[in-house]
Amino acid sequence: DGGITQSPKYLFRKEGQNVTLSCEQNLNHDAMYWYRQDPGQGLRLIYYSQIVNDFQKGDIAEGYSVSREKKESFPLTVTSAQKNPTAFYLCASSIGAWREASNQPQHFGDGTRLSIL
Amino acid sequence: GIQVEQSPPDLILQEGANSTLRCNFSDSVNNLQWFHQNPWGQLINLFYIPSGTKQNGRLSATTVATERYSLLYISSSQTTDSGVYFCAVGADYGGATNKLIFGTGTLLAVQP
Repeated sequence: DGGITQSPKYLFRKEGQNVTLSCEQNLNHDAMYWYRQDPGQGLRLIYYSQIVNDFQKGDIAEGYSVSREKKESFPLTVTSAQKNPTAFYLCASSIGAWREASNQPQHFGDGTRLSIL
Repeated sequence: GIQVEQSPPDLILQEGANSTLRCNFSDSVNNLQWFHQNPWGQLINLFYIPSGTKQNGRLSATTVATERYSLLYISSSQTTDSGVYFCAVGADYGGATNKLIFGTGTLLAVQP
């Protein structure tokens, strides 16, 4: 079945450690997104990518990095510079790139819960 | 930027009751989605509805884009409808950016 796979479901990070969250999609979507959700709140955009080898900062990009070497993969690294990384991270994708993507629904993976040890 | 407000923030229903959830947004949008987040955190697409009316079983949604609001109707509610309902909107920022802006959600609890 086509879909978006995020791994792992749960992740623990030690102080000063970088961790990478995986997001893979087999929907042949061009655009991919990373969102962060804090308890009791809606989602906020961290980074997005319209096409391979391109990505743009969202509203809360500080302390995060991404890469887009393959169309189907958009990993997110939470660096030690992110001082409050404990949150629920959701990856999404949508058909089309650039202006086309803004007219298309976004589909979400099941998320990764990151906690600090 | 665009502001998204959802009401009510919390709602408790008896099984079988109907409800209406509202989403107001502050500017023109070309993307509006309703999601259900279940207790396990999964975000389920309910509707992609930047304008017009759609129905899917016991759920239906209406967006009046000119008046900048959307409504989600839940009829004959079931305990499995419990969770948080999010409205999210997106706009065409000239292709330079592309994001969904989420409201803070409506927490629904359906009691047996």
